[in-house]
Amino acid sequence: SQKIEQNSEALNIQEGKTATLTCNYTNYSPAYLQWYRQDPGRGPVFLLLIRENEKEKRKERLKVTFDTTLKQSLFHITASQPADSATYLCALEVGSNYQLIWGAGTKLIIKP
Amino acid sequence: NAGVTQTPKFHILKIGQSMTLQCTQDMNHNYMYWYRQDPGMGLKLIYYSVGAGITDKGEVPNGYNVSRSTTEDFPLRLELAAPSQTSVYFCASSQDKRAYEQYFGPGTRLTVT
Repeated sequence: SQKIEQNSEALNIQEGKTATLTCNYTNYSPAYLQWYRQDPGRGPVFLLLIRENEKEKRKERLKVTFDTTLKQSLFHITASQPADSATYLCALEVGSNYQLIWGAGTKLIIKP
Repeated sequence: NAGVTQTPKFHILKIGQSMTLQCTQDMNHNYMYWYRQDPGMGLKLIYYSVGAGITDKGEVPNGYNVSRSTTEDFPLRLELAAPSQTSVYFCASSQDKRAYEQYFGPGTRLTVT
């Protein structure tokens, strides 16, 4: 069956450290993968998009990797801050309609 | 530039009642989407639209209907509400479908009792 997995348990990280979140998928062949941030009571907000032929993408303190052989994307936040605390969602673009298939998200808590 | 707006923010509906969730975007996007988000689950696509007058089913369309008479508006209609439709509903829009970010509204928290 097709599925996307993100860590369901919250990730607790000390301020200043690098946070690494994982998105694994099976039985999909996505052309693109997107990462979003969601704060409580709000809609998701787009962060980064990476293409299947890109190994890595960076934006300020954020870095995304995409390994189509392992069927895995890693999302890194360097020099993490309490304001980075949120739920992070990954989404795969699949099919001829390029619909987004979403993971359930990982809650990240940055402790001061 | 308000982006994507949704109304209402919260609503309690009785079983068997109907209602319409409103969604408006001011970015002139052709693509619009309705998702539902349940605890511990990924967003599920209900319906989407590629332009005024054109809509199509997503992964979980049963119990819902949509229309798209203008570029800006994409209302979601719930007919004969059931407890299984208790969820948070998000509307989103994008400039195009491939490799384009989606912009989300603030969501509507709906409870059916």
